[in-house]
Amino acid sequence: AQKVTQAQTEISVVEKEDVTLDCVYETRDTTYYLFWYKQPPSGELVFLIRRNSFDEQNEISGRYSWNFQKSTSSFNFTITASQVVDSAVYFCALSGNWDQGGKLIFGQGTELSVKP
Amino acid sequence: DAGVTQSPTHLIKTRGQQVTLRCSPKSGHDTVSWYQQALGQGPQFIFQYYEEEERQRGNFPDRFSGHQFPNYSSELNVNALLLGDSALYLCASSSDRENTEAFFGQGTRLTVV
Repeated sequence: AQKVTQAQTEISVVEKEDVTLDCVYETRDTTYYLFWYKQPPSGELVFLIRRNSFDEQNEISGRYSWNFQKSTSSFNFTITASQVVDSAVYFCALSGNWDQGGKLIFGQGTELSVKP
Repeated sequence: DAGVTQSPTHLIKTRGQQVTLRCSPKSGHDTVSWYQQALGQGPQFIFQYYEEEERQRGNFPDRFSGHQFPNYSSELNVNALLLGDSALYLCASSSDRENTEAFFGQGTRLTVV
């Protein structure tokens, strides 16, 4: 069975602090994809990143960075120098082989609140 | 280029009624997936349509059904509404051919009273 766990339900930080959102996943697939999505109050899920199971390189995009470690089945997301506009709910998601249609399994989400 | 569009944005229905939600995928996308997101929870996969056929289905009862049209747009139908069906319904589109990630619409907020 596939499962995604985001243990942090809510995180509150002050602007300019760094914050890491944790994601742990379970799957028996050898090929899989991991995602992060951002959901602002408007409701739309905004795609942030997709990584496949064969690419463990960490990635940095501006203030965002991702740490993928297969050994611990984790795919953590760090926001550096957080800003008020980063306030949202963040979801980690897992998808199996693309031939299966790319069904996404989401975690429960982490609500990030960045205070000025 | 319009992204994924859903209609209506909000809907209030009475228990036992039927509802139809609509989704137009992003231009160039051929696959549509539907998700249900209860308050404070992550989205749950309902089903996915590709080439006008249901390709994959999540753990949802037969009261939930769908359709995909030749122009790739899709409908989600829910019969015999229950109070527990109140949720945000999200549509996502992707391209099977180009192996793209899923792009989501803004959702339809359904309230069953």
